[in-house]
Amino acid sequence: DTAVSQTPKYLVTQMGNDKSIKCEQNLGHDTMYWYKQDSKKFLKIMFSYNNKELIINETVPNRFSPKSPDKAHLNLHINSLELGDSAVYFCASSLRDSQETQYFGPGTRLLVL
Amino acid sequence: AQKITQTQPGMFVQEKEAVTLDCTYDTSDPSYGLFWYKQPSSGEMIFLIYQGSYDQQNATEGRYSLNFQKARKSANLVISASQLGDSAMYFCAMRGDGGSQGNLIFGKGTKLSVKP
Repeated sequence: DTAVSQTPKYLVTQMGNDKSIKCEQNLGHDTMYWYKQDSKKFLKIMFSYNNKELIINETVPNRFSPKSPDKAHLNLHINSLELGDSAVYFCASSLRDSQETQYFGPGTRLLVL
Repeated sequence: AQKITQTQPGMFVQEKEAVTLDCTYDTSDPSYGLFWYKQPSSGEMIFLIYQGSYDQQNATEGRYSLNFQKARKSANLVISASQLGDSAMYFCAMRGDGGSQGNLIFGKGTKLSVKP
């Protein structure tokens, strides 16, 4: 009965490749998020998305794009991967886009060689 | 701009003792939420406790309590009766009201080590 799941758990790839990370939540939440955790453990928001609105952190390169086929899924596509994209990527969801608690997926560890 | 500060990069505590992890925040929003998450070495982010800015009482969840001092803009996490399994990174986070303000802003974390 996993609440927020991500696949794959580990992703090793070459520079320049395009990759996707999938996220699914079965909590019935309206809002989903992507966070990046760097090598120093610092977590930073990349995107938040609900049915109506995508909010992009302006520091995120446009090589990163979220795609939501339905309310329960928010996938992350990354084009032309760079060494600096190596990090742990967390998907999260909350009931609404407000002060509701966000629940995190297990993370995807991306290593770009 | 919103900001979270955790000044303790690492902490040690003896098993069965209590420990306080510090967190201060800065925001101009009148309404906001404060959160603590635990990240064990396995990597997942585990929600621990939430405090709303208008809550009159400090939040408690089992062995976790949040010492909320609004005037001082602090939201310290208190873990009572520490257990070996409490060894992990702990992150303080804040979010405001919706839109871009609704995104979680995290502190840099505190690594807690519980000694037997």
